[in-house]
Amino acid sequence: EAQVTQNPRYLITVTGKKLTVTCSQNMNHEYMSWYRQDPGLGLRQIYYSMNVEATDKGDVPEGYKVSRKEKRNFPLILESPSPNQTSLYFCASSLESLIGNSPLHFGNGTRLTVT
Amino acid sequence: GNSVTQMEGPVTLSEEAFLTINCTYTATGYPSLFWYVQYPGEGLQLLLKATKADDKGSNKGFEATYRKETTSFHLEKGSVQVSDSAVYFCALRDQGGKLIFGQGTELSVKP
Repeated sequence: EAQVTQNPRYLITVTGKKLTVTCSQNMNHEYMSWYRQDPGLGLRQIYYSMNVEATDKGDVPEGYKVSRKEKRNFPLILESPSPNQTSLYFCASSLESLIGNSPLHFGNGTRLTVT
Repeated sequence: GNSVTQMEGPVTLSEEAFLTINCTYTATGYPSLFWYVQYPGEGLQLLLKATKADDKGSNKGFEATYRKETTSFHLEKGSVQVSDSAVYFCALRDQGGKLIFGQGTELSVKP
């Protein structure tokens, strides 16, 4: 089944403790992206990647890192999480790069709480 | 800059009622427009899209028409079902390829 898989689904952590949220897609998609969803703000893009070894900042990159060493994986890293990073996170992928009308395929989300 | 504005929710309707969720946008050039739906506990999935003015996107009984003169892309359905309860996001893809989402509108349909 074609899908975007995120792990974990739920994560509670403490301020400053490094964490990684994994994302993997099995559709051979070139484009991958991370979003955070907060009430009243919709989805805001954190980072995106057009292809392997090509990553770029989105609208709210501060406090996050990503890597794209393989086409299928796009982990989100929080080196020193803070409470303002408590949010619902989504990974998404698309067949083409941004120039095109391929739809985004989303994972089921990771709910992160930082205390 | 480019932006998307949706009507605030939550919207609560009875089953078989008519649905309209308003969406307006601000963008330079000719963006592509999308509606995504998020069911409880799931990620977003594409509901419909329109890539040029006067195009009508449709899927699962939902429709939206790309109106350039009013910069709008309102979502409509003639008869909603309980299973349509979800959060609906309007989005645009600008000429640079960036996807910009509205804040989402929660729909609750009661039997």
